[in-house]
Amino acid sequence: EAQVTQNPRYLITVTGKKLTVTCSQNMNHEYMSWYRQDPGLGLRQIYYSMNVEVTDKGDVPEGYKVSRKEKRNFPLILESPSPNQTSLYFCASSLFRGSYEQYFGPGTRLTVT
Amino acid sequence: DQQVKQNSPSLSVQEGRISILNCDYTNSMFDYFLWYKKYPAEGPTFLISISSIKDKNEDGRFTVFLNKSAKHLSLHIVPSQPGDSAVYFCAASYQKLVFGQGTRLTINP
Repeated sequence: EAQVTQNPRYLITVTGKKLTVTCSQNMNHEYMSWYRQDPGLGLRQIYYSMNVEVTDKGDVPEGYKVSRKEKRNFPLILESPSPNQTSLYFCASSLFRGSYEQYFGPGTRLTVT
Repeated sequence: DQQVKQNSPSLSVQEGRISILNCDYTNSMFDYFLWYKKYPAEGPTFLISISSIKDKNEDGRFTVFLNKSAKHLSLHIVPSQPGDSAVYFCAASYQKLVFGQGTRLTINP
């Protein structure tokens, strides 16, 4: 089954404690990205990757890091989480950047206290 | 600067009637427009799309209309069904996808 998986689905952590949210896709897509969803703001892109070892900032990259060492995986790293990073996070993938239809993971709800 | 706007946070429609969701955009460079549907505890899923060279695209009960001069996009659902209750995001593409804030649609039996 073609899918994008994310782990964990729910996470409560404290300010400053490093965390990683994993993302994996099994569709051999080149393009992957991370979004956060906040009330009244919709989905905003954090980082994206056009292929292995190629990553770039989206609209709201502050406080986040990513890596793309393998085509299927695109982890999101919060080195020192803060309460304003409490949000719902989605990983997405598509065949390439020009592929308009993106496939989304189920989401990770993060709470930083 | 919100380039894609959905000004109605919520919409309630009677089952069997038409649901109309609206979206406005500001960037005239957008060349493709999409609607995504999102259920609770799930990721958004692609619903329907339209190229900027068209003004209408239909897929079953779903029709998307594009008015380029007004920079306005709408999604029509006819007839509305309880399973259509979800959050709907419009998105516009030019080099990347830009999403609106979402509209929560509730279909009442």
